Amino acid sequence: DTVLTQSPALAVSPGERVTISCRASESVSTLMHWYQQKPGQQPTLLIYLASNLESGVPARFSGSGSGTDFTLTIDPVEADDTATYYCQQSWNDPWTFGGGTKLELK
Amino acid sequence: EVQLVESGGSLVQPGGSLKLSCVASGFTFSNYWMDWVRQTPGKSLEWIGEINTDGSKTNYAPSIKDRFTISRDNAKSTLYLQMSNVKSDDTAIYYCTRIETYYFDYWGQGVMVTVSS
Repeated sequence: DTVLTQSPALAVSPGERVTISCRASESVSTLMHWYQQKPGQQPTLLIYLASNLESGVPARFSGSGSGTDFTLTIDPVEADDTATYYCQQSWNDPWTFGGGTKLELK
Repeated sequence: EVQLVESGGSLVQPGGSLKLSCVASGFTFSNYWMDWVRQTPGKSLEWIGEINTDGSKTNYAPSIKDRFTISRDNAKSTLYLQMSNVKSDDTAIYYCTRIETYYFDYWGQGVMVTVSS
């Protein structure tokens, strides 16, 4: 299975720029997607196909990357962005998720 | 508005069975592949299986293959997950999800399944 590796946690101050990385154990082309999960809630789609912003998601969120290295950027970070962020690939079967990056605000 | 509402979660003994349901609304259910994804306590997300639009094709993760069965009733806009011979490792929140070709574009609120004696 394709393993997706994310840093476990990050802490930033409101107004800063934050980048969350996701590294795949093998190429996934651009079939990488990002989800946000707030405490006690289900995940919601933020970015699909590496860089496409889901409808209704603030333009503060952006995604980039291809192959094995991907980045989710939030600029500027707001207090409401406190959540865990997951990457997910759909190039290789089975579809797999990263372990999640917990974003905390200082 | 797209809505996915799961039900059927509960406490079940190891080796037992349970059937989860997911009622969909706000879209044409029969036009979409549907999947189940689970989230174990304190851990990440795991894709466990999918079903095509007319229910004729299913795919499963190795961890649950031959124990779980996904089905659907398009007339009732309902997705099912039949769980059999459950193990403690199956303890998780189970999410019903809609597939938009390559990603999960809508998720239900999730339902908790606890496997314990």
